Parts: sequence; structure tokens; C-alpha cells
Amino acid sequence: NAGVTQTPKFQVLKTGQSMTLQCAQDMNHNSMYWYRQDPGMGLRLIYYSASEGTTDKGEVPNGYNVSRLNKREFSLRLESAAPSQTSVYFCASMGRGRMDTQYFGPGTRLTVL
Amino acid sequence: GESVGLHLPTLSVQEGDNSIINCAYSNSASDYFIWYKQESGKGPQFIIDIRSNMDKRQGQRVTVLLNKTVKHLSLQIAATQPGDSAVYFCAEIAPWAGKSTFGDGTTLTVKP
Repeated sequence: NAGVTQTPKFQVLKTGQSMTLQCAQDMNHNSMYWYRQDPGMGLRLIYYSASEGTTDKGEVPNGYNVSRLNKREFSLRLESAAPSQTSVYFCASMGRGRMDTQYFGPGTRLTVL
Repeated sequence: GESVGLHLPTLSVQEGDNSIINCAYSNSASDYFIWYKQESGKGPQFIIDIRSNMDKRQGQRVTVLLNKTVKHLSLQIAATQPGDSAVYFCAEIAPWAGKSTFGDGTTLTVKP
């Protein structure tokens, strides 16, 4: 099992450019998440998908869109990148069991100039 | 709104001492909590969890205590080692709803 994988690991964009961050999990989990983590801070939820076919806004959704392509994949898109979106982005997944926990990917470090 | 927070942003201990990291939550309906460890440059990693019907849960060198009366939980690390140096987050998780809320984290530094 690879767990949760993310691509790319690093990315530099210019203001106004667009890009898509990819995430995939091989644990057959129902729920998937996108977080951002700014220096010295905790994780803030951008969007999540409680099950295939559904997506919901988290705490900081503005400037982002998501697609739950299938049960395995959940992508995050920045349509017009802004310097305020410079951050580390983590994808996570979780099962529906009573004591299930979240598993995190290694992160994507994004810099917007 | 819901919030989960940690009392202190940094904690420094001597190698071999016990560490205690605290967390307060505001949603009295919360019933599942997880402690995560995040090392530099990596994603958060599960340490230990606890449900609201428990007061205490022990793992290997780690113990989580839950006080529902004051909505507080703590992570105790016994015989802290240099490899324990990391940022520790508490999180309130609702798997059935697909929701999670993280605190800001406490940075633990272990001095040799």
C-alpha cells in the first residue's frame, strides 16, 4: 500500500497562473480532504469529500475548487493563484469505521510569486 | 463555532523527562479525538486516539487523558527522547460526517 500520494512535491507559480494538485489513496477510504498549512500554524481545511460524488467547503475554500474524480482521487485546483495561497498543501483520507483515523500525504509545497 | 486549541505553542524538556502537551476543545458534543505528530517537512502522523466514553488511553510511551467536564485533553510522553521533537496537534474527528478540526500545534523540543 502506498497510502496517500500527492503530486507534485514542489511547485512555483506566478500570480494569476492556474494549476491542479493531485491526490490519490489506495486504502478504499470514503472521505478525502485538502488542508493548507501556513508557517507556524495548524492545518486549515479547504474542502473535503465525505464520499464519492460529494464535496463540501471547509474553513478556507475561497480561491480553490475540488473534484472527487472517483473513490481514489481528489484533486485541488487553483484557478488564478495569488501570493496568499503560498503554503504547504496536505491531502488526507479517512475510513468510516468507528475509530478510523486520517492518513496524510507528504504534502505539496507551493510558492506563488 | 467549533475550535480545538493547544495551550502553549512551545515546550522544551530534557531528554528522559516526561512531557505533557495540553489541548482544549469547545464543542461539547465532540466524542473522538486524535493526537498527531508532525516532523519537519512531513505530513501529520497518527499517535494515539480516544473516545469520549474513555478518560484515559495508553500506548507505547504515550498516554492521552480526556476531561470532558472542562473539555480538555492532554498527551503525556514518558521518557522523552530526541526523536520525539516535533509539532504535536490535537484534532477532533467525526469520521461518520467526514469532518475534522485541528488545533494550531505545540512544538516540542527535547534537549540532550
